[in-house]
Amino acid sequence: EVQLVQSGAEVKKPGESLKISCKDSGYSFNSNFIAWVRQMPGKGLEYMGVIYPGDSNIRYSPSFQGQVTISADKSISTAYLQWSSLKASDTAMYYCAREYYGRLDWWGQGTLVTVSS
Amino acid sequence: QSALTQPPSASGSPGQSVTISCTGTSSDIGGYNYVSWYQQHPGKAPKLMIYEVNKRPSGVPDRFSASKSGNTASLTVSGLQAEDEADYYCNSYGGHNNPVVFGGGTKLTVL
Repeated sequence: EVQLVQSGAEVKKPGESLKISCKDSGYSFNSNFIAWVRQMPGKGLEYMGVIYPGDSNIRYSPSFQGQVTISADKSISTAYLQWSSLKASDTAMYYCAREYYGRLDWWGQGTLVTVSS
Repeated sequence: QSALTQPPSASGSPGQSVTISCTGTSSDIGGYNYVSWYQQHPGKAPKLMIYEVNKRPSGVPDRFSASKSGNTASLTVSGLQAEDEADYYCNSYGGHNNPVVFGGGTKLTVL
C-alpha cells in the first residue's frame, strides 16, 4: 500500500527559505509521479506541479513556475517542495499526492506552512 | 490555463440525488478521458472518489457516479447521506504540455 508521509507544520518569516518533504513508504517511488497541491485558507485546490523521480522530470503549473522548486531524492523515496524567499501569500496547506494522468489517488496528510512577521 | 468551472454550492435532502457539473475546454475535459473527482471534509486531505471519468476506486460507494459530455463532466450523488456533506473538486489531465487543472470546488450541503 502506498503511504505518503509529509513533514510537520512550519512557521516562518517573510523572506526565509523552506523545504518541505513527502516520503513514500511504498515500493514504487521511482515509477510513480508525485504532485504537489496548494490549498490556501478557506480556498480550493491548486495544482502546483509534478515530478517523476525515476528521471527527475518536472512540470510546473504556470502560476507556480519560478515561485517554487520541486525535487526528489530517489535514494530515500522522498519528494520535496521548496521556497527560496517566502511571502505571506505562501501561507497554505500543501499536499503531496501520487499522480497518474491527473488522478491523485494517494495523498499525504498535508503540511501547513504559515508565513508571518 | 484556467481553472475548471464548478458551481460554488449544491444541496439536497437525505435520500435525494444531486449532480455537480464541471466545465472545461477541449484542451482538458473534452480532449481526454482523465477526469477525476475528489471529496474533502473539513480539516482532511482530499479523497479520490472517481477517476477516468466514471470509475470508482475500491471502497467508494456506488451512490457516487459520474459522466462526461463534451467539455463538461458531472458527478452525481444518489441517496444522499449526512456524511456526503463536503467539498467536491473535479480535475482533468490536459496532455503532456499542459498541467493538471482543478475546478474551484463545490460545497455540498445535505439539508
